[in-house]
Amino acid sequence: DTAVSQTPKYLVTQMGNDKSIKCEQNLGHDTMYWYKQDSKKFLKIMFSYNNKELIINETVPNRFSPKSPDKAHLNLHINSLELGDSAVYFCASSQDLRVVLYNEQFFGPGTRLTVL
Amino acid sequence: ILNVEQSPQSLHVQEGDSTNFTCSFPSSNFYALHWYRWETAKSPEALFVMTLNGDEKKKGRISATLNTKEGYSYLYIKGSQPEDSATYLCAFLGGGSYIPTFGRGTSLIVHP
Repeated sequence: DTAVSQTPKYLVTQMGNDKSIKCEQNLGHDTMYWYKQDSKKFLKIMFSYNNKELIINETVPNRFSPKSPDKAHLNLHINSLELGDSAVYFCASSQDLRVVLYNEQFFGPGTRLTVL
Repeated sequence: ILNVEQSPQSLHVQEGDSTNFTCSFPSSNFYALHWYRWETAKSPEALFVMTLNGDEKKKGRISATLNTKEGYSYLYIKGSQPEDSATYLCAFLGGGSYIPTFGRGTSLIVHP
């Protein structure tokens, strides 16, 4: 039973399209995150979402928007996809934003996005 | 921007060798340091959460130490096995932020 799941695993699309990646966690955690793994393999934080509080990395283009229908889900919407958006996107969760000091994050399997 | 550096970037060892690598982070305003193990085609999995200067944690053949005053943590693997092959990531929390900043990782390959 997967703790943090993401769909789809692979996403190939054309430039200019709008797409979404879904993330669900069944751990009862309060905080969820989206990371982008860049070409140099860095995991860079895009968003964290905790009890309806959204913390945005200001370097993230506003074409990216997280949407949380409930505590267990944090979906990533991307508008007007660009070639540079090609990357692997990871969802993660932790018990609480501050409890992450003492508890680890749990990661999803990643979604490989390819923009043609 | 918080600077979290890991060295070496990659490491090849023979089965049975012991090895270690380093995570460097800002020495001021420290909250916590996490270590993760990331196997190819899988997602990162937590190894250790460290919060106190002088902390030493151990899980099987893997151990970690923490020096918050000088801003570094070491990860040690004793008697490396091929199944230890993975990328080892550290993540720093501090500087006013509860959101982990990840290093680039150390890629370990253990040859049989």
